[in-house]
Amino acid sequence: QKEVEQNSGPLSVPEGAIASLNCTYSDRVSQSFFWYRQYSGKSPELIMSIYSNGDKEDGRFTAQLNKASQYVSLLIRDSQPSDSATYLCAVNSAGTYKYIFGTGTRLKVLA
Amino acid sequence: DTGVSQDPRHKITKRGQNVTFRCDPISEHNRLYWYRQTLGQGPEFLTYFQNEAQLEKSRLLSDRFSAERPKGSFSTLEIQRTEQGDSAMYLCASSHGTGGFQPQHFGDGTRLSIL
Repeated sequence: QKEVEQNSGPLSVPEGAIASLNCTYSDRVSQSFFWYRQYSGKSPELIMSIYSNGDKEDGRFTAQLNKASQYVSLLIRDSQPSDSATYLCAVNSAGTYKYIFGTGTRLKVLA
Repeated sequence: DTGVSQDPRHKITKRGQNVTFRCDPISEHNRLYWYRQTLGQGPEFLTYFQNEAQLEKSRLLSDRFSAERPKGSFSTLEIQRTEQGDSAMYLCASSHGTGGFQPQHFGDGTRLSIL
């Protein structure tokens, strides 16, 4: 089992729809969770961090964390073609200084 | 805040040569990470510095890889006797803090191509 798992996609949604991206992790004691967006050929850029169970909203983005079920999700409301990118989930590796990244989900927003 | 800077952006070299990359983190950030990323994969952790101390290295990192962060400012990553499998994007990230896991900010990366 991979430490951080994401569906590679592509996930295709029409413009204006809600995109839902999911991530599961294996380490029960992980405490810190991050979503990054990565455009093709570019480096990852931070979208959101979340540390507590529940929802955290920032503009069109909402991160949801459920530690009991070991998943974290990212919702993108009113999706735009410019949101088309790969979305990476990162989780801290307890007992180390490492962040573990998933392989990313490729999102395509269709105009 | 000028962001994380990496140099060079691209490096093409022949197999067997040594290469060195540089990373300048955001100035107030005391934490610095190196990652390697290949196509279709997420960033893979290589090593971590807190100030000038290298506190963690990936077990996957062979002896051909070495990193330094003298004086706790910029960092260098050296790969000796490069191999075809070293072709990848090498990313540097930095963050600030003394406890817990803070969001990381990435540089634009150095793309290494081994001929």
